[in-house]
Amino acid sequence: AQSVSQHNHHVILSEAASLELGCNYSYGGTVNLFWYVQYPGQHLQLLLKYFSGDPLVKGIKGFEAEFIKSKFSFNLRKPSVQWSDTAEYFCAVNARTDKLIFGTGTRLQVFP
Amino acid sequence: KAGVTQTPRYLIKTRGQQVTLSCSPISGHRSVSWYQQTPGQGLQFLFEYFSETQRNKGNFPGRFSGRQFSNSRSEMNVSTLELGDSALYLCASSLVGGAGGQETQYFGPGTRLLVL
Repeated sequence: AQSVSQHNHHVILSEAASLELGCNYSYGGTVNLFWYVQYPGQHLQLLLKYFSGDPLVKGIKGFEAEFIKSKFSFNLRKPSVQWSDTAEYFCAVNARTDKLIFGTGTRLQVFP
Repeated sequence: KAGVTQTPRYLIKTRGQQVTLSCSPISGHRSVSWYQQTPGQGLQFLFEYFSETQRNKGNFPGRFSGRQFSNSRSEMNVSTLELGDSALYLCASSLVGGAGGQETQYFGPGTRLLVL
């Protein structure tokens, strides 16, 4: 069965610090990978996605993620966070179906 | 283009009752998926509908059911509510789905259900 692990449950950073959130999945076949963000009181929104091709994908708001197939990882990065990045971040995977498997989420708090 | 809408936004029920939640997908989207979000279990897939047919199902008991109408609107029903059903229920839509999962799902604001 597919599963997704997000090892960082709660991350606290100061503005301008760099961010890396880990995401590992378990599935041996081809996968589609997503990062969603949920700002306080708002809907889940797509940050970025990987289907195929260049393993380094860029998303909205300066976020990027790198797919490393050998490590079953899809880590999210941002070189310099802002207070407005405070939110909960979810990694999600699907194995060529429409059933998204989500990680448990990482709560990011950015202090000015 | 309007986003995914869900009604009602908040609901309070008591154990043993049943509840129906509604989801209107983005115009033109024909695939609708439902997820349950709880602090302990995170986001879990319930089921997915396309062309009025359930195409995918998660690991939830039969008390959880759904349907989709010809206009792609979807409803989710939970019968014999239990305390543990308290959660945020999210609906997501995509164009046709089934494209090997290579479609973005757009989420609605959710319906927050509290079971007392």
